[in-house]
Amino acid sequence: NAGVTQTPKFRILKIGQSMTLQCTQDMNHNYMYWYRQDPGMGLKLIYYSVGAGITDKGEVPNGYNVSRSTTEDFPLRLELAAPSQTSVYFCASTQLGGTDTQYFGPGTRLTVL
Amino acid sequence: EDQVTQSPEALRLQEGESSSLNCSYTVSGLRGLFWYRQDPGKGPEFLFTLYSAGEEKEKERLKATLTKKESFLHITAPKPEDSATYLCAVQLAGGFKTIFGAGTRLFVKA
Repeated sequence: NAGVTQTPKFRILKIGQSMTLQCTQDMNHNYMYWYRQDPGMGLKLIYYSVGAGITDKGEVPNGYNVSRSTTEDFPLRLELAAPSQTSVYFCASTQLGGTDTQYFGPGTRLTVL
Repeated sequence: EDQVTQSPEALRLQEGESSSLNCSYTVSGLRGLFWYRQDPGKGPEFLFTLYSAGEEKEKERLKATLTKKESFLHITAPKPEDSATYLCAVQLAGGFKTIFGAGTRLFVKA
């Protein structure tokens, strides 16, 4: 049971480039989330999904897109990278009910130059 | 506007010196309040969930409490390994959105 895995761990992009951040969970959780964390700040919700085929915007969705074709995977797409997207990105999953624990991945550190 | 505020921003303690971290919130509706621990370069690690005013949860040297306006994370006789950033988050009622505070960086000196 690997929990939540994210790839890559680090990435440097040039302005205008595109990339996909991968997130996979093996806990059969319905709910998945993407957050970004800027230095010294809390996490900001980008997008979330309540199940395969269902996604919705969070606090800061501009410049990002998501898809959820399977329960396990929730990729985050950056189409035209901008310096403002330099941040650490965390994926999380949870199965609501019980303690509603969110399990986080190790993060992807993205720099846009 | 839904808001979560943590204080202090940073806290320096001597080993064994007990203290409390504060998380105040103003939200339209509360489904649950979460506490996480985050070590440098890692993702947040779940500590507690609180659902209603008056509820308390304990784990080793940590105890979380909840009122209608704020939550406290009490640290009793901390050790250097308790040094980390502690994040508070509120999940809003009626949906799945979660708002995080900026965190409190805790430093415990031996």
